[in-house]
Amino acid sequence: RKEVEQDPGPFNVPEGATVAFNCTYSNSASQSFFWYRQDCRKEPKLLMSVYSSGNEDGRFTAQLNRASQYISLLIRDSKLSDSATYLCVVRYNFNKFYFGSGTKLNVKP
Amino acid sequence: NAGVTQTPKFQVLKTGQSMTLQCAQDMNHNSMYWYRQDPGMGLRLIYYSASEGTTDKGEVPNGYNVSRLNKREFSLRLESAAPSQTSVYFCAGKRGAGETQYFGPGTRLLVL
Repeated sequence: RKEVEQDPGPFNVPEGATVAFNCTYSNSASQSFFWYRQDCRKEPKLLMSVYSSGNEDGRFTAQLNRASQYISLLIRDSKLSDSATYLCVVRYNFNKFYFGSGTKLNVKP
Repeated sequence: NAGVTQTPKFQVLKTGQSMTLQCAQDMNHNSMYWYRQDPGMGLRLIYYSASEGTTDKGEVPNGYNVSRLNKREFSLRLESAAPSQTSVYFCAGKRGAGETQYFGPGTRLLVL
């Protein structure tokens, strides 16, 4: 069983739409949670950390449900520039990070 | 600051050849990591170095060796390349506990 599972998509949405991704993780002892963004043939870049109480950064909202072991990312008012692959990342201990395989988002004009 | 840099950007090897992938950072990272990314799969940890002078195996260490030369540099060596090692390799660094990782631009390796 994979440590972190994501729907690979693609999610095809029009500009201005709201889109949500979920991610589940298997290890209940996981300590930290992140969403990374990866553009085609580029390195992953941190989008936002995910906190237990939920957190927002502009058009992006992340939530964590420890009881059900899932993390979500909500993108409001989608822009063409949001087209990318979104990676869910879970840190198990100080140095063990597990990556989901990513969810691809295509925002269309 | 250059951040996390990797060389080379691209490499083609024949089966059985050896090579070293270089990674350097100027972000004062204590921990450094090597990952590989294959199509349809998440990044998988090959080796990591929690601090200068230490290295540990990750999820997929077989066929690789690493050296933490100093605080700035962390190299990954393939002693005898195999086609299964065709992948994109990312180096990453992290300053301290609870902090996030910063990635280099990647090395695309093709083993024929």
